[in-house]
Amino acid sequence: AQKITQTQPGMFVQEKEAVTLDCTYDTSDQSYGLFWYKQPSSGEMIFLIYQGSYDEQNATEGRYSLNFQKARKSANLVISASQLGDSAMYFCAMRGFTYSSASKIIFGSGTRLSIRP
Amino acid sequence: EAGVVQSPRYKIIEKKQPVAFWCNPISGHNTLYWYLQNLGQGPELLIRYENEEAVDDSQLPKDRFSAERLKGVDSTLKIQPAELGDSAVYLCASSLQGARADTQYFGPGTRLTVL
Repeated sequence: AQKITQTQPGMFVQEKEAVTLDCTYDTSDQSYGLFWYKQPSSGEMIFLIYQGSYDEQNATEGRYSLNFQKARKSANLVISASQLGDSAMYFCAMRGFTYSSASKIIFGSGTRLSIRP
Repeated sequence: EAGVVQSPRYKIIEKKQPVAFWCNPISGHNTLYWYLQNLGQGPELLIRYENEEAVDDSQLPKDRFSAERLKGVDSTLKIQPAELGDSAVYLCASSLQGARADTQYFGPGTRLTVL
């Protein structure tokens, strides 16, 4: 069975500081993908970054980077130089690539990030 | 490029009434998903379509929920009759099969309140 765990229900960070949002996962699939989504109060899920299990380098997208540690089964999101607009819920998600799991993407319970001015 | 479009954005109904949600995916995306999101939780998949075919509806409560995707583009999700526990946000997402692990792009959701 696949599982995503986000242990930080809420975080407060000072503007311009870097922040790390934790995500651990469990899967029996050899090939899988990890995603991070941002959900502001408006409700839309915004895709941020993707990491494939066989990617050799950690993914980066602008101020977002993914600290992927395969042996530890962790895929933490790092936001550099946080901004007030980063305040939102953040969800870690995973998709397996075997026949039985390929149809499903599962989400963690989310972390609410609040940026202080 | 236009994103995933959903309507209505908000819906308030009384229990036992029917309700329908509409989704228009990103142009060219062949895969469409409906998710349910309860307050403070991550989305949970209800149904996935590849073109017109529902390839995964194992989590759809078929006694009251139904969905269709005629012509492989727009989709409608229906609840009949609605129950108090159906109050949630219903999210639609789409993806292009084979493109970067089928990354899903979401619409703004429909917030349903059942009184």
